[in-house]
Order: sequence, then C-alpha cells, then structure tokens
Amino acid sequence: AQSVTQLDSQVPVFEEAPVELRCNYSSSVSVYLFWYVQYPNQGLQLLLKYLSGSTLVKGINGFEAEFNKSQTSFHLRKPSVHISDTAEYFCAVSLDTGRRALTFGSGTRLQVQP
Amino acid sequence: EAGVVQSPRYKIIEKKQPVAFWCNPISGHNTLYWYRQNLGQGPELLIRYENEEAVDDSQLPKDRFSAERLKGVDSTLKIQPAELGDSAVYLCASSLVLTEAFFGQGTRLTVV
Repeated sequence: AQSVTQLDSQVPVFEEAPVELRCNYSSSVSVYLFWYVQYPNQGLQLLLKYLSGSTLVKGINGFEAEFNKSQTSFHLRKPSVHISDTAEYFCAVSLDTGRRALTFGSGTRLQVQP
Repeated sequence: EAGVVQSPRYKIIEKKQPVAFWCNPISGHNTLYWYRQNLGQGPELLIRYENEEAVDDSQLPKDRFSAERLKGVDSTLKIQPAELGDSAVYLCASSLVLTEAFFGQGTRLTVV
C-alpha cells in the first residue's frame, strides 16, 4: 500500500518570501503525484500533477514541484508568496495500476504573514 | 462548465439520526468518489464508483454507511444511524481520466 508523509503541519512565512512544502511518499509501484490546495470551507483544488516526463512540474498560482524518485519526494515550492496563498496544502499519490483513488497526506497549513 | 455540486453544505443532526448527502458530478465523468475528511487530516476514500458499479468500497463502514449511484450520474451517501465520530467533511469528487479528480465543496456534518 502507498502512503504520503507531509513533514510539516504548519509553515509560517512572511509575504514575498520563498516557501517549500515537503512531501515524501512510499510505494512499491510507480505512482502519480499531486498537490491540492484547500481554502477555508472549500473543496480541494488541483495545483499541479506529475504523471511522467519532466521531473519539474509547474502549476497554477506560481507554484512548482519537483519529483525526485531516488528520494521519493515531491516538494512544492513558490519563489514569492502572497497573503492569498494562506491555505491548507495536501500532497497525494495515485497508483498507475488502475486503482484511481488518491491517498492524501495529512496536510500542511501555510500561513503567510504581512 | 459547472463543477462538482454537493448538498447540503452544512448539516447538524443528533446522534442515532439518519443523514444523507447528495453529489452531482461533472457531466461526462464516469468515476465518482466519496471521501471523508476529519478535522486536521487529509481526505480518506470511502467509496469509488465506475459508472454505476462500486469498484472500491473497502473503507466504507458498511454497518451504518451506504451509497448508491443511480444511472451512473448522481450519487447519495447515507449514514444510519449517525455517531458522534462521524462528524467530518464529506467530499465528493469526479474524474474522466485516470488521475485528475475534481472536488466539490463538501458537506460539513456535525453530530451532537
């Protein structure tokens, strides 16, 4: 079975500073990787996904993530955050064997301070 | 294009009462998921449908939870009777291809 670990439950950062949200996964087979964002009282919105090809993936709102197979990581980065980026961020994996459901990490709360 | 629609958005019930949630997926999406998100945690899969067929319900507590997806479109998730520990956000999602799921806004259930 696959699992996802988000190493930081909360990440405080000042506005316009860079940020990295860490995600590690474990799986015995190949996986697809995702980052979702959840604003208060909202559902989840896809930020970006890695299916295959280039290990550097660019998403919406200036976010990007890098897939590192040897380290089984998929860290999310943004060079300059805004107040509006304050939200909960979830890393997730999906097996590419036909089992389509996502396995989520426990989430990282990004708090952008002025 | 309309997204995944869920109703109600909020529900407060007393324990031992029944409750039902409704989901209308994105048009044409053949895969539908129900997830439960406990406070401070990531969503966890309850059940996945491929068209009308429930292909993965291993995490659904079948003694009190049931779900159906009539005609492969809308879906309902029911809890009877509800327990205090069922308080959570219930998320519905749908997808057309293998990996990208679109989520509704969720139903926040509070059992008192």
